[in-house]
Amino acid sequence: EDKVVQSPLSLVVHEGDTVTLNCSYEVTNFRSLLWYKQEKKAPTFLFMLTSSGIEKKSGRLSSILDKKELFSILNITATQTGDSAVYLCAVEASGAQKLVFGQGTRLTINP
Amino acid sequence: GAVVSQHPSWVICKSGTSVKIECRSLDFQATTMFWYRQFPKQSLMLMATSNEGSKATYEQGVEKDKFLINHASLTLSTLTVTSAHPEDSSFYICSARKQGWGTDTQYFGPGTRLTVL
Repeated sequence: EDKVVQSPLSLVVHEGDTVTLNCSYEVTNFRSLLWYKQEKKAPTFLFMLTSSGIEKKSGRLSSILDKKELFSILNITATQTGDSAVYLCAVEASGAQKLVFGQGTRLTINP
Repeated sequence: GAVVSQHPSWVICKSGTSVKIECRSLDFQATTMFWYRQFPKQSLMLMATSNEGSKATYEQGVEKDKFLINHASLTLSTLTVTSAHPEDSSFYICSARKQGWGTDTQYFGPGTRLTVL
């Protein structure tokens, strides 16, 4: 059965800190790994990763995938209170179309 | 862009009534849409995969007669919760799959909060 595990489940830091969120997975015929940010409503897309070792970057957020060790990390530098959210990691298997989500990491940034 | 809308954003209904939720891809065509359910402080649970022009594929444990899905066009899928009961109260989120060059991405609608009294 395909599985995605995120850690930590909850994280509280101070504004300006750097955080690293982890996502490990087990999936048959891996196709892609996606990161989403969910605030009060539905998830918003952050990154899609398909190749190992290639960092994706958007402003203070970056992510990388390791297909050998079956994990991905999401880094946020110089955190701001607006980064407070639940960050979801999801994996898609080739041919399956559907996403398997992890439990999410609830990130709280205190001023 | 890739914008997905849902309507209504929230609905309150009496027990025993049916509620229809619409999911639209506004700036792209989506042959595949997905319906999720999310309980407070939990992750998204896939209910069904909606395929344009064919029957939906339901996940194990999801009652197809209770959660009716119709995907009549490339930009619209609907979820009807029939004979709703308080335990159906939840946050329902749809997503639409946008096909790209070699990679497809799912974009989510804003969600519909259903409260059944």
